Order: sequence, then C-alpha cells, then structure tokens
Amino acid sequence: DAGVIQSPRHEVTEMGQEVTLRCKPISGHNSLFWYRQTMMRGLELLIYFNNNVPIDDSGMPEDRFSAKMPNASFSTLKIQPSEPRDSAVYFCATRPPGSGYNEQFFGPGTRLTVL
Amino acid sequence: DAKTTQPPSMDCAEGRAANLPCNHSTISGNEYVYWYRQIHSQGPQYIIHGLKNNETNEMASLIITEDRKSSTLILPHATLRDTAVYYCIVRSHGGATNKLIFGTGTLLAVQP
Repeated sequence: DAGVIQSPRHEVTEMGQEVTLRCKPISGHNSLFWYRQTMMRGLELLIYFNNNVPIDDSGMPEDRFSAKMPNASFSTLKIQPSEPRDSAVYFCATRPPGSGYNEQFFGPGTRLTVL
Repeated sequence: DAKTTQPPSMDCAEGRAANLPCNHSTISGNEYVYWYRQIHSQGPQYIIHGLKNNETNEMASLIITEDRKSSTLILPHATLRDTAVYYCIVRSHGGATNKLIFGTGTLLAVQP
C-alpha cells in the first residue's frame, strides 16, 4: 500500500491566488482528516470527514478555506484567496473503518508558502 | 478532553532506553492514552495506546500508573532514527471522537 498520498508536496504562490491541496486516502479507509502545522500554533485539526461527509469543520479558520470529499478516494482543501499567514505544512490523515481507536495514518504533507 | 503535560525536550544516548513521561491528572475513566511521534519533515506516526494496563508492541512499551494520572513511553533501545517529537494525547473512544488534539510534545534527541 502506498499510504496516504498528498499533492503537491511543495507549493509556492502569491497572495490572492487560489490554492488547491489534494489527498488520496489509503484504500478502504473511511475517515479523512486535514491538519495544518505551523511553528506558532503547532498541529491543528481543520476538518474531518466520515464516509465522505464533513463531520466537524470547527477548525477551519475562515470562509477562505473549503474542503470537499467527492468520493472515497479523493479529497481537496482549497484556499481562496490565499494570504501569507496561510503558509504552513498541511497534512492529510486517514483512518480505517471499524477500529474503535484513533490510529490515524498521515501523509507526507504539503508545504505551502504564500508570498 | 483531559490535558497532558510533557517536558519540552529530552536527550538519550543511542542504544539506551528512552523514557518519555506524560502527566494527565484530569483523565477520566473512559479516556485512553495515545502516543504519536513526528520525525522531522514527516507526518505524525501512531506508536501505541492504552487504557489502564501496560501495553507493548514492536515499537515501544507504555506504562500507565495505577491511578492513571501519568504514563511513560519507553523506547527500549533508542536509535538515531528515533529522534523526533513525541506527542502524548488523551482521548475517549467511540461517538464523534475521531479528533486528536496534539499539544507541543517532547523533542527527543538521541545522541550518538
């Protein structure tokens, strides 16, 4: 299994541009999480999906951020318009069904730099 | 969720046991203790979890005190590749409890 796949691995963009981050979960996993990590705030949960349905988006910073999971094998996190303070590493993580405990499998992350 | 307290950093000699402490004095009866680690430039990785009994797997051992107010993660023979930030997290199971809340963790530096 290739694990959680994220793309791109690095993204550099200018303020005001739209940014789309992508995640392919491990096959068969039905929970998907988007996290953001910065030096100042550490690792924060932005949103998570269960069976493609958003369950908790209380961590999404503002309306500029949106996330979708159109099917079980793909999710996107979009920032429009992007701002320099959005610069961070964004991680996607997934979890298999049926497991009563919280073992989440993380992807390698996307390092976003907004100039 | 119960709050956890960990030392910000620790050193360990290569080949020796690394003992990482975590305080969770407000833990409730249905909350588990989880440990994750994050190696530099990688995503976090699950290590182990437990409720009240000691647990061991291929990566580590978890020792939970009888009153469950603290725990210790033990890496029996630390290697340079174990240098990472280690996070202790307390969560209950089931329901809408998929969220993991990461604190600041302990930076373990394994020295040659």
